[in-house]
Amino acid sequence: DAKTTQPTSMDCAEGRAANLPCNHSTISGNEYVYWYRQIHSQGPQYIIHGLKNNETNEMASLIITEDRKSSTLILPHATLRDTAVYYCIGSAYSGAGSYQLTFGKGTKLSVIP
Amino acid sequence: EAGVVQSPRYKIIEKKQPVAFWCNPISGHNTLYWYLQNLGQGPELLIRYENEEAVDDSQLPKDRFSAERLKGVDSTLKIQPAELGDSAVYLCASSVGGPRADTQYFGPGTRLTVL
Repeated sequence: DAKTTQPTSMDCAEGRAANLPCNHSTISGNEYVYWYRQIHSQGPQYIIHGLKNNETNEMASLIITEDRKSSTLILPHATLRDTAVYYCIGSAYSGAGSYQLTFGKGTKLSVIP
Repeated sequence: EAGVVQSPRYKIIEKKQPVAFWCNPISGHNTLYWYLQNLGQGPELLIRYENEEAVDDSQLPKDRFSAERLKGVDSTLKIQPAELGDSAVYLCASSVGGPRADTQYFGPGTRLTVL
């Protein structure tokens, strides 16, 4: 799996867009970029994933650069409930029918009132 | 749709005692994972099951940890005997499985405290 690099922490004002960057310069062609978040005392929650194209769902948008060496997760209108640790993960097929997730330390996002 | 269920949510035991954690994955999910999460760190994979077969247990400390997934549905993770350093959150996740992008869904975890 590609090693990912994320800032340790970020702040965002409530109601503003939160843009969380991730560097994954060693990502291989078949590795997906996954984003999860973990709110205090809960299990990780899936947000979004992508391979090459930008993706959007009801939670967030994922912007992947053309060279795939970095990506940005965008929460369009951050709320206090978005305060969490956000993990960016490069996930490759590990054989025997499964993709492996290797978590780093993530980015601690604090949404400020 | 019910999510991944884990029990208990919290467990406090004394060192050298045994402990077991239970996980019920999302219905229809063939792949089940157990992760360990230490304070301030991301989850680390302990073992992965495809149906009832453990296909990746390379990170499971086999001297004291064991796991089973009878009938390919529920799973149990056991520690015997527990040590102080085993205090952590134990997470279970499940996914459909298959050779394409396969999203894992996590349970709430069991927080273990070893005294």
